[in-house]
Amino acid sequence: ILNVEQSPQSLHVQEGDSTNFTCSFPSSNFYALHWYRWETAKSPEALFVMTLNGDEKKKGRISATLNTKEGYSYLYIKGSQPEDSATYLCASTGNQFYFGTGTSLTVIP
Amino acid sequence: DGGITQSPKYLFRKEGQNVTLSCEQNLNHDAMYWYRQDPGQGLRLIYYSQIVNDFQKGDIAEGYSVSREKKESFPLTVTSAQKNPTAFYLCASRKQGVNSNQPQHFGDGTRLSIL
Repeated sequence: ILNVEQSPQSLHVQEGDSTNFTCSFPSSNFYALHWYRWETAKSPEALFVMTLNGDEKKKGRISATLNTKEGYSYLYIKGSQPEDSATYLCASTGNQFYFGTGTSLTVIP
Repeated sequence: DGGITQSPKYLFRKEGQNVTLSCEQNLNHDAMYWYRQDPGQGLRLIYYSQIVNDFQKGDIAEGYSVSREKKESFPLTVTSAQKNPTAFYLCASRKQGVNSNQPQHFGDGTRLSIL
């Protein structure tokens, strides 16, 4: 079982603020790192899949970076909006998906 | 629209009963997965299947059973041997087998409670 950790557990930010959170994972036997957004009453939605050390991905105001040597990924949200409120999950994959517990983001209008 | 359908949304089980959670996908995905979520914990893998008529145990398979008779369907049975079945169950599928960088697609989940 891989130990994937996310921090912080929850976060409240004002609309317009930029924010970031962390996903830590074991760097051995690494294959890919996935980020998902999970809004209340909906199903988790894939944001990014990253495989290479130094990878950076961007989707609108959301971006992510990957460091496979030290075993962490950062997710950044620029200019947070209320619709960004969700739980953000990361998962490290070897033979299976191992999910972190998520970071719950609330954007206050 | 293509997607994953889980049913029912809410399910109640009496002590000693087996119940089956349905998961159907029309995405033509090869791999399918069942996860369980408990408060304060991440998604934990129960079972997964890469191809029809084949499946593997995940980290918490005890008390559960699955079948994969059709590509589109991966039902999960929660047996009476599962002593703490109250949880939220998520089904997912993925285009290729487990060793790929394709993302998973998820259903809306089934919440199971003990009466």
